[in-house]
Amino acid sequence: AQKVTQAQTEISVVEKEDVTLDCVYETRDTTYYLFWYKQPPSGELVFLIRRNSFDEQNEISGRYSWNFQKSTSSFNFTITASQVVDSAVYFCALSERFYNQGGKLIFGQGTELSVKP
Amino acid sequence: SQTIHQWPATLVQPVGSPLSLECTVEGTSNPNLYWYRQAAGRGLQLLFYSVGIGQISSEVPQNLSASRPQDRQFILSSKKLLLSDSGFYLCAWKVEITEAFFGQGTRLTVV
Repeated sequence: AQKVTQAQTEISVVEKEDVTLDCVYETRDTTYYLFWYKQPPSGELVFLIRRNSFDEQNEISGRYSWNFQKSTSSFNFTITASQVVDSAVYFCALSERFYNQGGKLIFGQGTELSVKP
Repeated sequence: SQTIHQWPATLVQPVGSPLSLECTVEGTSNPNLYWYRQAAGRGLQLLFYSVGIGQISSEVPQNLSASRPQDRQFILSSKKLLLSDSGFYLCAWKVEITEAFFGQGTRLTVV
């Protein structure tokens, strides 16, 4: 069965601090995909990144970076030099193969990040 | 380009009344479609998914049902709403190995 755990319910930092959001996943499939989404106060879900299980290369996009480690089943997200606009709820998600149960995304409980000026 | 429309944005309904939320996708064919609910506790719970017209899979037993009468139309319904049906409902679509794309959501309050 698929499961995603985001142990950090809330994180509060001061602007310009670095912050890491943790994500641990469980799956029996050898092919799977991991995602991060951002949910600002408006409620819409904004896609940030997709990673497949065969690509463990870390990725950096501006102030955002992601660390994927299959050995620990983790897909952590780091924001460098955080800004107030980064305040949101962040979700980690997992899906198995597209033709396995509709490729459904299973989400973690989310981490609410508050960046104070 | 692909877009997803979900309406209404907000809805206040009395207990025991029916519900119909609609979601349509444009710019893609044969997508997988999903309904999620986000309760006050913030987690996103998958309610239903559909891999084709008339094909509905339910993830959790509940007071809701879903239908897919057309390839790019996904409807969430209830015959009689309960207080516990209150929440933020999100429709999403996906093809192959892409990420899922979400609608703007419907905030439902059952009073």
